[in-house]
Amino acid sequence: QSALTQPPSASGSPGQSVTISCTGTSSDVGGHDFVSWYQQHPGKAPKLLIYEVTKRPPGVPDRFSGSKSGNTASLTVSGLQAEDEAHYYCSSYADINREVFGGGTKVAVL
Amino acid sequence: QVQLVQSGAEVRKPGASVKVSCQASGYTFSDHYIYWVRQAPGQGLEWMGWYNPNTDGANYAQNFQGRVTMTRDTSVSTAYMELNKLTSDDTAVYYCAKVRRPIREPGSNAFDIWGQGTMVTVSS
Repeated sequence: QSALTQPPSASGSPGQSVTISCTGTSSDVGGHDFVSWYQQHPGKAPKLLIYEVTKRPPGVPDRFSGSKSGNTASLTVSGLQAEDEAHYYCSSYADINREVFGGGTKVAVL
Repeated sequence: QVQLVQSGAEVRKPGASVKVSCQASGYTFSDHYIYWVRQAPGQGLEWMGWYNPNTDGANYAQNFQGRVTMTRDTSVSTAYMELNKLTSDDTAVYYCAKVRRPIREPGSNAFDIWGQGTMVTVSS
């Protein structure tokens, strides 16, 4: 069982938006602004999309955005494209000096 | 360019050990934490621990304490992860990942560069 809870699946049509939640506790998501999001295509290594809740690394489209409220972080993918079909994982710093992952969400582009 | 290149696939019998390497290039190896993450077939990501190449310090996830050792060879900018007493549950792809921020700077431990992964199969 993963430390952070994500829905197992989400979907949307091309051009639509999809939001994925990531729920933890006050010891991880709620206690620190150190939530990251990763995209993973089949057979590939994960790719960093969002760090420190809202920040995007260079090269990541602004269609990807992050937010947080209390113990729940969220990733929104706007203007869905076919290449966005992938697994998405959240992670968070957790007390003390640990990193925890969510179980992953498979996003389907219908 | 910045990259991490891992060693090739391994097959081990139950009870054996495996050592995976992760060679860094394109940045100062000792300036960034290296994390190890594994992914069992069809499953999610699991944090194994982190390694500080500057101090040779490490912090292992509770699930792996007593079975995992993380080390480095600075002369070849390579980090290593050794896992002992393997069982079939250890069959997974093992990734090394570089933390985005330098060790001396505050911030999150987001992983901006990942190795290509090393498949470890444990089977009798």
